[in-house]
Amino acid sequence: EIVLTQSPGTVSLSPGERATLSCRASQSVSSNYLAWYQQKPGQAPRLVIYGASSRATGIPDRFSGSGSGTDFTLTISRLEPEDFAVYYCQHYGSSPRWTFGQGTKVEIK
Amino acid sequence: EVQLVESGGGLVKRGGSLRLSCAASGFTFSTYTLNWVRQAPGKGLEWVSSISGGSTYIYYADSMKGRFTVSRDNAKNSLYVQMNSLRVEDTAVYYCTRDLPYAHGMDVWGQGTTVTVSS
Repeated sequence: EIVLTQSPGTVSLSPGERATLSCRASQSVSSNYLAWYQQKPGQAPRLVIYGASSRATGIPDRFSGSGSGTDFTLTISRLEPEDFAVYYCQHYGSSPRWTFGQGTKVEIK
Repeated sequence: EVQLVESGGGLVKRGGSLRLSCAASGFTFSTYTLNWVRQAPGKGLEWVSSISGGSTYIYYADSMKGRFTVSRDNAKNSLYVQMNSLRVEDTAVYYCTRDLPYAHGMDVWGQGTTVTVSS
């Protein structure tokens, strides 16, 4: 079973700053099956990045994803007020079918 | 508009049963794999179950096997999960989600329905 470990647990940043979120897999995974989600309080998650680097519909270009093998990164180039949220990485595998990381909270400094 | 709307959540005693429903609209329902994903209070996301468009392939997380049964009715554009032998740790918001083609992610999420299992 693949385990996804996200770091840091919480990051405190100011609007306009760059956010770099990490997702590390316990073994090498296909980047085709690595996704990122944003979740705000009281809301359902929203797909941000799929296939490790493709932005989902409606996602602004300040969001970018990269990585391969065991190390993946979600970068928000310049934080807007609406970007402060919890971010989860996710992987599609054989068993279990979907695995989520534990999440990284991006909070306002 | 593509939409998923869950219903059926509520308060149930430990050992009890509950059936959740998810009504879909705005897309060709039968061509998509659908999932249930849950989130315990203050916790992260946990995948529960997946069902392919024609119900040929069904998968469960280990902790749900034997207790949860997922099904769908393509004529009614609806997804279901029958939850039996509920445990206190099953308390969560349950989301219905749609897979992107080729399992690249979950591109549509419902608003969630809350299940509370009391002891």
